[in-house]
Amino acid sequence: GENVEQHPSTLSVQEGDSAVIKCTYSDSASNYFPWYKQELGKGPQLIIDIRSNVGEKKDQRIAVTLNKTAKHFSLHITETQPEDSAVYFCAARDNTNAGKSTFGDGTTLTVKP
Amino acid sequence: GAVVSQHPSWVICKSGTSVKIECRSLDFQATTMFWYRQFPKQSLMLMATSNEGSKATYEQGVEKDKFLINHASLTLSTLTVTSAHPEDSSFYICSALGTAYSYEQFFGPGTRLTVL
Repeated sequence: GENVEQHPSTLSVQEGDSAVIKCTYSDSASNYFPWYKQELGKGPQLIIDIRSNVGEKKDQRIAVTLNKTAKHFSLHITETQPEDSAVYFCAARDNTNAGKSTFGDGTTLTVKP
Repeated sequence: GAVVSQHPSWVICKSGTSVKIECRSLDFQATTMFWYRQFPKQSLMLMATSNEGSKATYEQGVEKDKFLINHASLTLSTLTVTSAHPEDSSFYICSALGTAYSYEQFFGPGTRLTVL
């Protein structure tokens, strides 16, 4: 089955700096890669996603890059703000597998004001 | 985006009782819903996948007689924790895949279950 590894497990940055979180996956059949933000006591919220036919996607301060050959994808947050502090999860999914996603272990991002 | 609700948001119960958690897709029809369990500072662990009108598919190691899942309509799935024990205390989260949003997975806000 699919295996997703996420690094780092914790990340602390100064407000205004950039943050990068990286994930690798094992199943070349995976074709959808979402990123979720989870605040304490809440459910995950989709913040950006990318499909396998695209190499990069950007939405304001957030971007995701995908390297299918190397089987890794990354989340980039620029101009970080304290409200970006949360746990971020990457996931990989093969839409032929009943839509099930495999999640990374999460990265706790702390943005210091 | 689409909205998924869960009820209750938190529940405290005595050991041995059963607890039902509801998951609703509010503005779309969900062909598939997922139930996850999350322990503190850990990732989401998939418990089961439910498709409307059919039996749920449980992940390995999840007791289907303990965690009863019903997906009776395209907008409602329920998870019943039967004969709950303290080790069942956890954060339970549902998510839904919609017919109109075949890629995106929408998560509910979660239910905090505490078994005394």
